Amino acid sequence: GEDVEQSLFLSVREGDSSVINCTYTDSSSTYLYWYKQEPGAGLQLLTYIFSNMDMKQDQRLTVLLNKKDKHLSLRIADTQTGDSAIYFCAENSNYQLIWGAGTKLIIKP
Amino acid sequence: GAGVSQSPSNKVTEKGKDVELRCDPISGHTALYWYRQSLGQGLEFLIYFQGNSAPDKSGLPSDRFSAERTGGSVSTLTIQRTQQEDSAVYLCASSLDWAGGTGANVLTFGAGSRLTVL
Repeated sequence: GEDVEQSLFLSVREGDSSVINCTYTDSSSTYLYWYKQEPGAGLQLLTYIFSNMDMKQDQRLTVLLNKKDKHLSLRIADTQTGDSAIYFCAENSNYQLIWGAGTKLIIKP
Repeated sequence: GAGVSQSPSNKVTEKGKDVELRCDPISGHTALYWYRQSLGQGLEFLIYFQGNSAPDKSGLPSDRFSAERTGGSVSTLTIQRTQQEDSAVYLCASSLDWAGGTGANVLTFGAGSRLTVL
């Protein structure tokens, strides 16, 4: 069945790069998404990538897609304390988004 | 409105009482979703609306849960005879009409309604 998997936690030092990884199973997904959830808030779209692309860059964010391995990653350059949040990966399946469990990014000073 | 509004933001109720949670989506968004997020967990899909109809109710956990949407806009999620395991954050999201997969289905979320059942 459809499943999206992510590590539950990632700890990085302030100023370093963070790389959050995700694997998905539905090869027919046309879009893959990254959402951010700060404490006490809803989810906020960070970026999405079309499945025929292998990379998308937006300021400090870089998304890499390996369609063969069904692997998606989000790199955050120069990680700041404001990046502390839970990051959700999702793939589309018709009208639905199939969600990972979220990766909590912890920033160490 | 400018964003997705949910009310109440916090609700504390006693076991056995009924609760209603409200979602006001972005104007013009025909698709509306309800999710449940338990503490430290991911998103659990509850129900999807396209306009006023709900083609997918498969995520509703029991017949104590129901939802409706009127005028293609505001939606209400009702939980009858609440139980302690219903305690969670209930998130609503809306998106433009999902045009058969020809475009990215970008969901915009509300801040959620935190339900605590004592």
